[in-house]
Amino acid sequence: GAGVSQTPSNKVTEKGKYVELRCDPISGHTALYWYRQSLGQGPEFLIYFQGTGAADDSGLPNDRFFAVRPEGSVSTLKIQRTERGDSAVYLCASSLDGTGKFFGPGTRLTVL
Amino acid sequence: GEDVEQSLFLSVREGDSSVINCTYTDSSSTYLYWYKQEPGAGLQLLTYIFSNMDMKQDQRLTVLLNKKDKHLSLRIADTQTGDSAIYFCATGGGGNKLTFGTGTQLKVEL
Repeated sequence: GAGVSQTPSNKVTEKGKYVELRCDPISGHTALYWYRQSLGQGPEFLIYFQGTGAADDSGLPNDRFFAVRPEGSVSTLKIQRTERGDSAVYLCASSLDGTGKFFGPGTRLTVL
Repeated sequence: GEDVEQSLFLSVREGDSSVINCTYTDSSSTYLYWYKQEPGAGLQLLTYIFSNMDMKQDQRLTVLLNKKDKHLSLRIADTQTGDSAIYFCATGGGGNKLTFGTGTQLKVEL
C-alpha cells in the first residue's frame, strides 16, 4: 500500500517568504507527526496531531511555525517569514496506534 | 530534557555481525525504535521494542534492551553492503513524540 507522501520534495525560497509543506499520511492513520532534520543530526520533534487537533506542539521553535490538519488526514506545515536557519529536511510520519511510526521521504527546504 | 546517545561510526566486513549501541536518559520511554536512513532518503522503520521486553528478534535483526542501564542495541547478522546506512535509535516517551539520537553511520566493507 501507499506510504506517507510529502510534497514538494524540494523547496527553495528566499529569506522572508512564506512556505507551505504538505503531508499525506498512510490511509487510516489517525496520528501524524512533523519533525525537522538538520544536516548530520537526528530528527527533532515539531508537532503531533491526533485526528484534527494538535495534541503536542511543544517542538515548534517559534510562532512563525504553524501546522494544520483540518480533516484529520492531510496536514500542512506553514512557515512565515522564513529565515536561513529554517533550512532543513522536514519529515512527516504517521501512525495507526502510536506504536509503529512511519516516515515519508521528507521535504528539503532551502532558504536563500 | 531527554537525551539519546550513539557512537558516530561503525565499520564492519561483509558477512560479519554489526552491533550498534544506544544509551538514553528517559526512563519513562514506552517503546524504543531503530530506524535506517539511506543517503537522500527518509527514515525506514526497522523494528521497535516495548519497554517491558528484553529482546526482540526479526530475521537478521536482534534488539536487546537493558532497562536498568538504559542501553539499547541493534545486532545485524550477516551484514551486507546494502546495510550501509545511518541507523537512528529513538525513544518514545510521554506525549507520543520520539527523541532521536544523532545516528550511527554503518559502513560495510568487502
